[in-house]
Amino acid sequence: DSGVTQTPKHLITATGQRVTLRCSPRSGDLSVYWYQQSLDQGLQFLIQYYNGEERAKGNILERFSAQQFPDLHSELNLSSLELGDSALYFCASSVAPTSTHEQYFGPGTRLTVT
Amino acid sequence: AQSVTQPDIHITVSEGASLELRCNYSYGATPYLFWYVQSPGQGLQLLLKYFSGDTLVQGIKGFEAEFKRSQSSFNLRKPSVHWSDAAEYFCAVGLWSGGYNKLIFGAGTRLAVHP
Repeated sequence: DSGVTQTPKHLITATGQRVTLRCSPRSGDLSVYWYQQSLDQGLQFLIQYYNGEERAKGNILERFSAQQFPDLHSELNLSSLELGDSALYFCASSVAPTSTHEQYFGPGTRLTVT
Repeated sequence: AQSVTQPDIHITVSEGASLELRCNYSYGATPYLFWYVQSPGQGLQLLLKYFSGDTLVQGIKGFEAEFKRSQSSFNLRKPSVHWSDAAEYFCAVGLWSGGYNKLIFGAGTRLAVHP
C-alpha cells in the first residue's frame, strides 16, 4: 500500500458525460501528479500540482482539468467524454516536486466510456 | 526530445532463471532513472532508482539495475525469477526543469514466468 488513495476504483459512463476522479496523497506529500494509462498511448503524464498550485502540464486535453485543494487532495475532471478517454487514471504524490523525490502511485481509477 | 525505449514488449522466462529487462533513454542531461512494476489490477510500485553515484543500484524484491552512460541504458536484472515476479515493468526517466518534475515512461515489458 503506497498510502495514496483514489476513488472511485471503477467508473462507467457514457460519451458526452462529465466525471470527477479523486486522489488523496500520502500524508505529508505536497505534490500530486496525474497520469493516464491507455493501451495505445501507454503511461502519459497529464498534470502536476504542488501545494495547491499547478506546476506542469503534459499531454492533457483541454476537456480535462484538475485542481488541488487546501487539504492537498486533488480532483481530475474529465468532460465531454469520448470513447478514447477510456483508460486507467493514476494519481501519484511526492514530498516535493523534484526528480529526486520519488513518486508514490495510487491504485488507479479505471474509466470506461461507452 | 526526451524518451524511454523498452525494446521487449513481452518476455517469458522459467522460474529460477535469470532475467534482464532492457531500457534505453534519450536525455541531454544527467538522467534520474527509475524502474516501476505493475502487477495485474494494481498501481505502480517503485523497484529502484538511480540519481548519481554507484552505477549499480539495488532495489526491492531482489532486483538490481546498472546505469551505463556510454550506452544510455539502465537495464533491470534479477538472478533468479520467482513466479510472483510476473507483472509489467516500466522504466522511466525523471525530468526536472524550472520547478517541475514529471516522469517519462517507456512502453513497458510484460514478464511471464513459466513454472
